[in-house]
Amino acid sequence: DSGVTQTPKHLITATGQRVTLRCSPRSGDLSVYWYQQSLDQGLQFLIQYYNGEERAKGNILERFSAQQFPDLHSELNLSSLELGDSALYFCASSAQGRAGNTIYFGEGSWLTVV
Amino acid sequence: QKEVEQDPGPLSVPEGAIVSLNCTYSNSAFQYFMWYRQYSRKGPELLMYTYSSGNKEDGRFTAQVDKSSKYISLFIRDSQPSDSATYLCAMRGIELKAAGNKLTFGGGTRVLVKP
Repeated sequence: DSGVTQTPKHLITATGQRVTLRCSPRSGDLSVYWYQQSLDQGLQFLIQYYNGEERAKGNILERFSAQQFPDLHSELNLSSLELGDSALYFCASSAQGRAGNTIYFGEGSWLTVV
Repeated sequence: QKEVEQDPGPLSVPEGAIVSLNCTYSNSAFQYFMWYRQYSRKGPELLMYTYSSGNKEDGRFTAQVDKSSKYISLFIRDSQPSDSATYLCAMRGIELKAAGNKLTFGGGTRVLVKP
């Protein structure tokens, strides 16, 4: 158990809908990362938050947004869903952003868009 | 061309054999190198973590980094069926405030250890 908690574990929704994925980082970790893993794309970095502020952005679609709350949990919002958005979405966390801190992953939220 | 290249496999070995995995990369700014193990549809689990060039050993696992060749390796000795998983290499540079701490992953190598 990495200590990173994600909900829901599985989600099935229709095209055009909106979903919210939630992540609780490891106790004390200030950085939260979101990754998308699909069969053909591997693990793709979406976005990072550090202590409530956006720190880095990857290949995140405009239909997707994220935020980190004062209690450090994070949410990833996916809207106007398309079939191609079906993937495993991982949240990860790391301690205060010093160089060398390792990143621990949650078990993921499996999104299926039908 | 991807920043990090990793043979997707599958790599099939008999139980007890040495598993040899590797990644090549193009970004010379990468300084930290990691290996993750991922069981099917589970979260990646950190196995090894190495800074800059050199070797690191942890139990049955040995990680090697050759920055001059932009090549990293993971060796698993005395492989077990429970080692059957996908192994992902990951790497990043020195954290800068703007760049953050994001990891760049290889595509993963699927390993099958047969009893």
